[in-house]
Amino acid sequence: AQSVTQLGSHVSVSEGALVLLRCNYSSSVPPYLFWYVQYPNQGLQLLLKYTSAATLVKGINGFEAEFKKSETSFHLTKPSAHMSDAAEYFCAGDNDMRFGAGTRLTVKP
Amino acid sequence: DVKVTQSSRYLVKRTGEKVFLECVQDMDHENMFWYRQDPGLGLRLIYFSYDVKMKEKGDIPEGYSVSREKKERFSLILESASTNQTSMYLCASSPQGAGTGELFFGEGSRLTVL
Repeated sequence: AQSVTQLGSHVSVSEGALVLLRCNYSSSVPPYLFWYVQYPNQGLQLLLKYTSAATLVKGINGFEAEFKKSETSFHLTKPSAHMSDAAEYFCAGDNDMRFGAGTRLTVKP
Repeated sequence: DVKVTQSSRYLVKRTGEKVFLECVQDMDHENMFWYRQDPGLGLRLIYFSYDVKMKEKGDIPEGYSVSREKKERFSLILESASTNQTSMYLCASSPQGAGTGELFFGEGSRLTVL
């Protein structure tokens, strides 16, 4: 069974609005969790990672994610969306090399 | 910076052809992976390798094989390409450690089988 699940295959926000991309993990997942971003026609690059040092993790481009054990969640947020954030985002757990199905983020002007 | 290089960004092949997708990493990573990416299905693991000459099947190994003769190089082979293997193929590497750690990806190889 996949260790992470992404809720919502497509999210659309207006420029300047809050971005929230959801990821839940299974209880058997070790504490390492990752968010990757994929821009069109490119490979994936690491956005941020949780390694149990702090529950709130800050990544590149203003993104952050909070590890919530009680909710088995690791949702990705950004306070204010920018047009350049349009991409596909993947959550992954550091145990079975599997990824969530991905969430495509669209940012409207 | 870690660099994972995939030999071809775009390939067009005919049904039945043998196809080689090459991947080279320059950071002395032990682990290497091949995924395919299809719309709505995300990334699916085809094969991975923890060391030279070692290989493990992922979730969708049928129709594929791999070769890892040198630590830095991991090749994906389609013995007889079929149209349902038209996809984006992504190679990744990671250093050895508990679990797999962060994956470093190549830019992908988009294969079209006619």
